[in-house]
Amino acid sequence: EDQVTQSPEALRLQEGESSSLNCSYTVSGLRGLFWYRQDPGKGPEFLFTLYSAGEEKEKERLKATLTKKESFLHITAPKPEDSATYLCAVGRGTGGFKTIFGAGTRLFVKA
Amino acid sequence: ETGVTQTPRHLVMGMTNKKSLKCEQHLGHNAMYWYKQSAKKPLELMFVYSLEERVENNSVPSRFSPECPNSSHLFLHLHTLQPEDSALYLCASSPRAGNAGELFFGEGSRLTVL
Repeated sequence: EDQVTQSPEALRLQEGESSSLNCSYTVSGLRGLFWYRQDPGKGPEFLFTLYSAGEEKEKERLKATLTKKESFLHITAPKPEDSATYLCAVGRGTGGFKTIFGAGTRLFVKA
Repeated sequence: ETGVTQTPRHLVMGMTNKKSLKCEQHLGHNAMYWYKQSAKKPLELMFVYSLEERVENNSVPSRFSPECPNSSHLFLHLHTLQPEDSALYLCASSPRAGNAGELFFGEGSRLTVL
């Protein structure tokens, strides 16, 4: 069964304290792994797409990596404005179009 | 207007009411989607439209009725809803529906069913 699991459910960091969010997945015919950021009361905002194991993408303090079973979103020296829910999703390439989302990790960064 | 716009942002309705959610995208995309987001749960895909044709109905109860009059507009008609239907309803668009890719979301319509 296709599945996306994100951990931890919530993460509290001090400003400047680097950490990583995990997204493990099981999917038939991976057609991309996606990271989104969602602020309270807003829709998700696209961050990255990763297509193959070993691929990495960076944007400001965020870096996403991909293996055959999981993806990590590394946050380096986070700031309070990085506080949000981070969603992971995978695209399935068989059985018709479908993007499967994880439940998200809520990140809180304290000044 | 740019991106994906949803109205209303907040809606409160009784179980016997009929209401509609509206979505408009200004990105020139050919695919539009309705997702349901409940607290601490993954986004649930409800419907997918490609060039105004429904290509996926993800086992959604008939009390939710989508309509896509053109590639820029998408509606979700609501009737005789249940309290468990209270959630954030998100509209999204993408260049095409044929493969998974980056989705552009609206800010959502927060629905409360009394």
